[in-house]
Amino acid sequence: GAVVSQHPSRVICKSGTSVKIECRSLDFQATTMFWYRQFPKQSLMLMATSNEGSKATYEQGVEKDKFLINHASLTLSTLTVTSAHPEDSSFYICSASGQYEQYFGPGTRLTVT
Amino acid sequence: DAKTTQPNSMESNEEEPVHLPCNHSTISGTDYIHWYRQLPSQGPEYVIHGLTSNVNNRMASLAIAEDRKSSTLILHRATLRDAAVYYCTLGYNDMRFGAGTRLTVKP
Repeated sequence: GAVVSQHPSRVICKSGTSVKIECRSLDFQATTMFWYRQFPKQSLMLMATSNEGSKATYEQGVEKDKFLINHASLTLSTLTVTSAHPEDSSFYICSASGQYEQYFGPGTRLTVT
Repeated sequence: DAKTTQPNSMESNEEEPVHLPCNHSTISGTDYIHWYRQLPSQGPEYVIHGLTSNVNNRMASLAIAEDRKSSTLILHRATLRDAAVYYCTLGYNDMRFGAGTRLTVKP
């Protein structure tokens, strides 16, 4: 099946710094990608829908100035967590739309100290 | 609000069939039913999808009620590697997840 990669897989950063997470579709073009965050023992929470060449659509309650999403090409979307705080520590997952289903990345575990 | 409801958890014995139910009473006529599963510390993976007819693939079977308000994911012989959280979702580009069902497989 199609492959979606994320980089980095794990990152530790200090409070107040920014962190960029990359999501790539390796063998197909994805006009739409999704970003999720997941806390321990909880379900995936949709943060935003990322469309190539246009502004991302954020879910209610997600700060667009804090979670910057860029989808500059058909194979790459990035999520930047700006001015990170310990409460932003979470598992971040992206997905890309295939022909009939979503392909998910392996996730990025962010720890903010 | 999630458009699907699933039991929080289920248990199965290894090599026995497992039937995972999902209710989606507000499904629209064009919504596909998708199932994904998530192993610990991994991203979800696609399992199966269908619209009206029952579907089979190498991983599982999907039984869809005639009124499409519910569906059942069937694992024909559960293995320890099938222990995961199973999510039932509707549509294709409206990718909101409910709580899912945590499947435990006992040896």
